[in-house]
Amino acid sequence: QVQLQESGPGLVKPSQTLSLTCTVSGGSISSGYYWTWIRQLPGKGLEWIGYTYHNGYPHYNPALKTRVAISVDTSGNQFSLKLTSVTAADTAVYHCARAPVCSSDCYPFDNWGQGTLVTVSS
Amino acid sequence: IVLTQSPGTLSISPGERATLSCRASQSVSSSYLAWYQQRPGQAPRLLIYGASSRATGIPDRFSGSGSGTDFTLIISRLEPEDFAMYYCHQYSSSPFTFGPGTKVDI
Repeated sequence: QVQLQESGPGLVKPSQTLSLTCTVSGGSISSGYYWTWIRQLPGKGLEWIGYTYHNGYPHYNPALKTRVAISVDTSGNQFSLKLTSVTAADTAVYHCARAPVCSSDCYPFDNWGQGTLVTVSS
Repeated sequence: IVLTQSPGTLSISPGERATLSCRASQSVSSSYLAWYQQRPGQAPRLLIYGASSRATGIPDRFSGSGSGTDFTLIISRLEPEDFAMYYCHQYSSSPFTFGPGTKVDI
């Protein structure tokens, strides 16, 4: 059973960089998935941030593209999110997730981490 | 693609049938539309993908239908554990988007 677990600071100051890591257990990050970050804004819905494949080629939400970077550490079986120049509007629960890579068909996010709350405040 | 869900809240009793709607601002190609259930404090759980295919382990009281811009999730007989938030999600074109959710309440 593959499990995803987010980790990182729960409090970030405005203008600083939010950094989170997702550790994949029970399976290899080098398998055929898009490794993804999604956030859930307070009282609002879900927002897809972006994904990467295990050998790179990240793809980001245009609304966040100038501030976000997602990278993979295959030796640690984990992937990371960096979001720069944060403001209070970036306060959210951040989930990592995976979706099978499209072949003849595409599939949605089938496995999610529990999520971690990140608050942006001074 | 902007997704709109209705109703915002559905107040219903156990054993009854729930019908949830999801409308897209433009056609969702290949019916790449999914439904998720989220209970408080938990991660979203995939229920339906490809508009009508049940994910692994999902009971058959959950069914999805629709194509193009209009999709429906039906829970045929509500069980106590079904009272939760439900989100639709399109994965046909980037940026991938989610609806605002329908709360199924007692």
